[in-house]
Amino acid sequence: DQQVKQNSPSLSVQEGRISILNCDYTNSMFDYFLWYKKYPAEGPTFLISISSIKDKNEDGRFTVFLNKSAKHLSLHIVPSQPGDSAVYFCAASEGQGAQKLVFGQGTRLTINP
Amino acid sequence: DAGVTQSPTHLIKTRGQQVTLRCSPISGHKSVSWYQQVLGQGPQFIFQYYEKEERGRGNFPDRFSARQFPNYSSELNVNALLLGDSALYLCASSPEATGIYYGYTFGSGTRLTVV
Repeated sequence: DQQVKQNSPSLSVQEGRISILNCDYTNSMFDYFLWYKKYPAEGPTFLISISSIKDKNEDGRFTVFLNKSAKHLSLHIVPSQPGDSAVYFCAASEGQGAQKLVFGQGTRLTINP
Repeated sequence: DAGVTQSPTHLIKTRGQQVTLRCSPISGHKSVSWYQQVLGQGPQFIFQYYEKEERGRGNFPDRFSARQFPNYSSELNVNALLLGDSALYLCASSPEATGIYYGYTFGSGTRLTVV
């Protein structure tokens, strides 16, 4: 049972434009969401997070939006840069004392010059 | 300052064998978690240890076990290896029992191939 889903395996965006990565979840008990970026031969790197009490969180070029009613979140990258090319994972946790993250399958983002 | 270090980086084992993977967390981090990432999928939670005690266990068979040492380093053991155990094994550390607010810091992983 895939509780966190990233339905787009890949996404190609032109440099300077906006990249939008999407994530859906089914578990209504999830209350904290994170985005990770992963380069080949490296571990995932934390990007940005959002609590379920918010609907938006910004950090520089990265903004995460949360729509609880739709159980949907998205990561916006503006403007996209070649160094943003990587696999992006959406992850969710349940409860403040959560020990584990539940990850989606990942979306491979390619930024074209 | 060193990040999360894992050893070995690559490993090839035969079906039925046993394997031990090692992880050293960031200095000062007391929590270590283990994840399995099969090709084409996201990481899947295996274990979390905090202060040498198991705090969480994912949906993995008893062939998988782990422990945490007084210096907070950790080992993941897998017995009776199956072909399906071939994956990237990731270790993540955090300062406290839950890393969701800090964003767990992951190591580069150990690539295990079972033949």
